[in-house]
Amino acid sequence: GESVGLHLPTLSVQEGDNSIINCAYSNSASDYFIWYKQESGKGPQFIIDIRSNMDKRQGQRVTVLLNKTVKHLSLQIAATQPGDSAVYFCAEETGGFKTIFGAGTRLFVKA
Amino acid sequence: DTAVSQTPKYLVTQMGNDKSIKCEQNLGHDTMYWYKQDSKKFLKIMFSYNNKELIINETVPNRFSPKSPDKAHLNLHINSLELGDSAVYFCASSPMPGELFFGEGSRLTVL
Repeated sequence: GESVGLHLPTLSVQEGDNSIINCAYSNSASDYFIWYKQESGKGPQFIIDIRSNMDKRQGQRVTVLLNKTVKHLSLQIAATQPGDSAVYFCAEETGGFKTIFGAGTRLFVKA
Repeated sequence: DTAVSQTPKYLVTQMGNDKSIKCEQNLGHDTMYWYKQDSKKFLKIMFSYNNKELIINETVPNRFSPKSPDKAHLNLHINSLELGDSAVYFCASSPMPGELFFGEGSRLTVL
């Protein structure tokens, strides 16, 4: 069956350090992957996306890496700030407008 | 000028009752969704509508009935509420597959 992501882990980083959040996916036919950020009490918010014909995409302080060989995604956040504290989800567009979310990773940023 | 708005934000009710959650988007998107987020933050797709037509129905109990009077609105009616229905329900709209704009969520508590 389809599945994206791992059981909800927690990542704790020091302010100013870089953060790396990992995600595994199982549907090798998917060709579009997205990272979302969910702050407490709010809905998930689109951060960055990547298509399967790329292996890296950069945004402002965020980078997404895609390894199709091992079906792995990662989100790198540079110079992590307290405002980055949230739950991060990888998501997979499996076709026909069906977007499947992984279990999420909670990021804590220590001041 | 909230893009995706849901009402009510909080809902507390007794088992067996019927309740509705409303959603409206002013983004002009053709596709809208309902997702359910459980206490472990897992986000599960329930329904998707494209231009008022149901396109995704993820084996949700038929006590849940979505209705889309027009492409800017997608409401969710739940009959005979059960304890396990307690969750946060998110509405979302989308201009393209994978890119979702979420509302702030409606927290349903069934007692």
